[in-house]
Amino acid sequence: GDSVTQMEGPVTLSEEAFLTINCTYTATGYPSLFWYVQYPGEGLQLLLKATKADDKGSNKGFEATYRKETTSFHLEKGSVQVSDSAVYFCALGGADGLTFGKGTHLIIQP
Amino acid sequence: GAVVSQHPSRVICKSGTSVKIECRSLDFQATTMFWYRQFPKQSLMLMATSNEGSKATYEQGVEKDKFLINHASLTLSTLTVTSAHPEDSSFYICSARRAGGPYEQYFGPGTRLTVT
Repeated sequence: GDSVTQMEGPVTLSEEAFLTINCTYTATGYPSLFWYVQYPGEGLQLLLKATKADDKGSNKGFEATYRKETTSFHLEKGSVQVSDSAVYFCALGGADGLTFGKGTHLIIQP
Repeated sequence: GAVVSQHPSRVICKSGTSVKIECRSLDFQATTMFWYRQFPKQSLMLMATSNEGSKATYEQGVEKDKFLINHASLTLSTLTVTSAHPEDSSFYICSARRAGGPYEQYFGPGTRLTVT
C-alpha cells in the first residue's frame, strides 16, 4: 500500500537557518503530494501541494518539488523564523484519502 | 475559502455517557468528510470516511457501533462517541474534501475529548 516516510524530529534550528525536511513516498499510480503544518492544540493547515511530477509547491517561503524519479517531496525554506515552530506532515493523496507521514517537530530558537 | 469548523473545541464527559462532535464546511460543499484521531506527539490515525447520504467506511480496528458517524448534508458530518471510556480521551480532527475538487483535505481545528 501507499506509505510516506519523513525524518522524525525534533529538528532544532536557529532563526534564519536553512531548513530541509525530507519526505519520500511509495505509491501506486500518480498521487498528489502535500505538506501540512500543525501548530500546538490546533488542526492541520495545508501549507503547499503539488499534483504532478516536477511541480513545485510554494507558500510562505516554503517550497517542495515533486520528484518522481526519487519519489521525494522535500520541504525547504531559506530562512526560518521562530513562528515556523510547529509539526510538519508530509502526505500523499488519492481518491481514497490521504496517507500521512509521522510528522516532524520543528523547533526554531531565537 | 475552504474553512472547516468543529464544535465543541473541548469537551469533558463522564464515563458511560455519549458525546457528539460536529464538523462543518463553512464555505464549500464537501461530498466526503474524514474523521481522524490523534494521540499526543503522533500522527493522525484515520478512523472513517463518510460520503454524504451514505454509510461511513470505517478503518480496520475502529468500532463502528462505538463511533457513530452521520453525514446528512454536504456541509455537516457528526461523530458520536457512545458509552465513552477514559481510553477514548483523545484529540479528534475532521477534514473535508471539496465536491469534484482535487485531493487535498481541509481540516477542522480539532476537538479535545476528556473522559473522566
